Amino acid sequence: QVQLVQSGAEVKKPGASVKVSCKASGYTFTSYYIHWVRQAPGQGLEWMGIINPGIGTTNYAQKLQGRVTMTRDTSTSTVYMELSSLRSEDTAVFYCARAYSGSNYFFDSWGQGTLVTVSS
Amino acid sequence: DIVMTQSPDSLAVSLGERATINCKSSQSVLYSSNNKNYLAWYQQKAGQPPKLLIYWASTRESGVPDRFSGSGSGTDFTLTISSLQAEDVAIYFCQQYYSTPQTFGQGTKVEIK
Repeated sequence: QVQLVQSGAEVKKPGASVKVSCKASGYTFTSYYIHWVRQAPGQGLEWMGIINPGIGTTNYAQKLQGRVTMTRDTSTSTVYMELSSLRSEDTAVFYCARAYSGSNYFFDSWGQGTLVTVSS
Repeated sequence: DIVMTQSPDSLAVSLGERATINCKSSQSVLYSSNNKNYLAWYQQKAGQPPKLLIYWASTRESGVPDRFSGSGSGTDFTLTISSLQAEDVAIYFCQQYYSTPQTFGQGTKVEIK
C-alpha cells in the first residue's frame, strides 16, 4: 500500500535550519509529485511547495522563497524539505503529501507529520 | 492567491442527523476546458494527518462512506454528512487546486450535540 513515512520530531533554536525527510513506498516514486504543507498549532493548513521527484524541479510558496529547499533522492525514494533561518512562527507540524499530476491535483496520501518546535 | 472561506467555523450535530459545511472561493475554480471543479475536501481527526474525502468537488475517494457527499460549482461548494456518526468528529477542510499556491479553508470543527 502507498506509504509516506516522515522523520521524527525536531527541536531547533531560532536561526537554525531543519531538514525533514519523507520516504515513499508502495508506488512508482517518480510518477507522483510531492507537496509539503505545514500546520501551526491549532491552525489551518499552509502550502509550502512542490517537487517533481522525477526531474527534481521545484516550486515554492512566495513567502518562503529563499528559506525553503526541497530535494529528492531517487535511489531511496525519499524527498527532503529544508527550512532555514527558523523563527518561533515556524513551529508547526510539517506534512508531505502525494499528488498525481503536479500543482493542479488533489493530495491522495499524506505522511504522518513531523513536529518542528523552534524555541530558544 | 485564491481565498477559501468555510462556514460555519464549528457545528454540533446529533448522531444520525445531517451536517452541512460550506466553502466559498474568492474566484471560480471551475476549469472551462474540462468542466471540472478543482476543489477537494479533507477530514482531519485529532493527532492525525488530513485524509482525502472528496475531489473534483463531488467524487468520493475510494473507501469513503457514502454518507459523505460533495456538491457545488464555480465558487460555492458544500460537504454534506447525511447521517453523522461518532467517528465523524473531526475538522474538515476544503482546498482549491486550481492555481498555485494551493489554498485551504480555515477548517470547520464538527462535534456531537
